[in-house]
Amino acid sequence: SAVISQKPSRDICQRGTSLTIQCQVDSQVTMMFWYRQQPGQSLTLIATANQGSEATYESGFVIDKFPISRPNLTFSTLTVSNMSPEDSSIYLCSVRAGAPGVTQYFGPGTRLTVL
Amino acid sequence: AQSVTQLGSHVSVSEGALVLLRCNYSSSVPPYLFWYVQYPNQGLQLLLKYTSAATLVKGINGFEAEFKKSETSFHLTKPSAHMSDAAEYFCAVRLGNKLIFGTGTLLAVQP
Repeated sequence: SAVISQKPSRDICQRGTSLTIQCQVDSQVTMMFWYRQQPGQSLTLIATANQGSEATYESGFVIDKFPISRPNLTFSTLTVSNMSPEDSSIYLCSVRAGAPGVTQYFGPGTRLTVL
Repeated sequence: AQSVTQLGSHVSVSEGALVLLRCNYSSSVPPYLFWYVQYPNQGLQLLLKYTSAATLVKGINGFEAEFKKSETSFHLTKPSAHMSDAAEYFCAVRLGNKLIFGTGTLLAVQP
């Protein structure tokens, strides 16, 4: 299994500002994922982040809005840039771990409210 | 392409009653299937997974799910609901390197 922590756990931000969310894993993992869960909805994949390469973004998500860093095999950050109220969501970090790498684990999430 | 459909956005059962949460998938190849639970104000916790081994999969907290290829289903069950089971449940299918989620089912347990 994998234990994932995220910082901050929640935040309230003003429109037009940016927030960086940190994700720390207790083991080295190749692939890390960032998801968004809008209020009352399911999870949507934002991007896949592999160490040493550019993140791969899903349709509807762009690097300028959601820049991602992946400096090593246990850490990643997601920045939500130039925020608007529509960005109010839970942002979850996720990793695939264990043999044979099938199971995907999730962090506790970062609850973001944009005013 | 693969996708997953959860029937019933809200399910309410009485404490001690059977829990049945429905999930159907569409896939052209044998899938990896998962059930996750999300308690209020928490992240997602893996309940169980199907990885082409046994078709009846047992998970945590007394939950189990049966993979039925003929019905393209992976329904989640628990014989006797407990108040602590109240949460949102998500079915998911793996598509390549991506995990695709259903829309979720909110389970309410009445005393």
